[in-house]
Amino acid sequence: SQQGEEDPQALSIQEGENATMNCSYKTSINNLQWYRQNSGRGLVHLILIRSNEREKHSGRLRVTLDTSKKSSSLLITASRAADTASYFCATVIGGNQFYFGTGTSLTVIP
Amino acid sequence: DGGITQSPKYLFRKEGQNVTLSCEQNLNHDAMYWYRQDPGQGLRLIYYSQIVNDFQKGDIAEGYSVSREKKESFPLTVTSAQKNPTAFYLCASSQRLENTEAFFGQGTRLTVV
Repeated sequence: SQQGEEDPQALSIQEGENATMNCSYKTSINNLQWYRQNSGRGLVHLILIRSNEREKHSGRLRVTLDTSKKSSSLLITASRAADTASYFCATVIGGNQFYFGTGTSLTVIP
Repeated sequence: DGGITQSPKYLFRKEGQNVTLSCEQNLNHDAMYWYRQDPGQGLRLIYYSQIVNDFQKGDIAEGYSVSREKKESFPLTVTSAQKNPTAFYLCASSQRLENTEAFFGQGTRLTVV
């Protein structure tokens, strides 16, 4: 299986704190993406980082990529209750085959 | 509005019956995908299709079948050979380009009764 792994599996923080989640994967990739899933819904794309990039920002999101360690991290700064969701990394290989990680469940306490 | 539509949202099936899940997109995407998600788990790839009349098995294709007769449609049939079909099924689509994102439907929750 190409599925990656994320940690922690679950994370609970207070509103205003930062949330960091990590993703490890197994193979060479074209890019790595992060998605968000609200309970019982489909996934929504958040950010994409290419294999030749090391860091990328989008609003309150910061993503890093270390291809030598086959790992990525997603940082959400100044978290809000509305950020409560599950977050998944997806590795993209062979052009556009998407393989998703196991997910991190984030709870932001108001 | 452009998007990807899965139907039905909830589906109940008796053991031993085949059932087909619908997935339609009007994004003009060449590539489409089916994933299975179990409670508290990640997404596992069932089948994917890069172009009309062509599809490939993913990691967990056993007990499932697909067709891709039209660009817009990629139905998934859960057959009686699937031993544990109760799950949340997600359909997605993307362009056949590098560095592009996947767009997801809202999912179908299948329960075997």
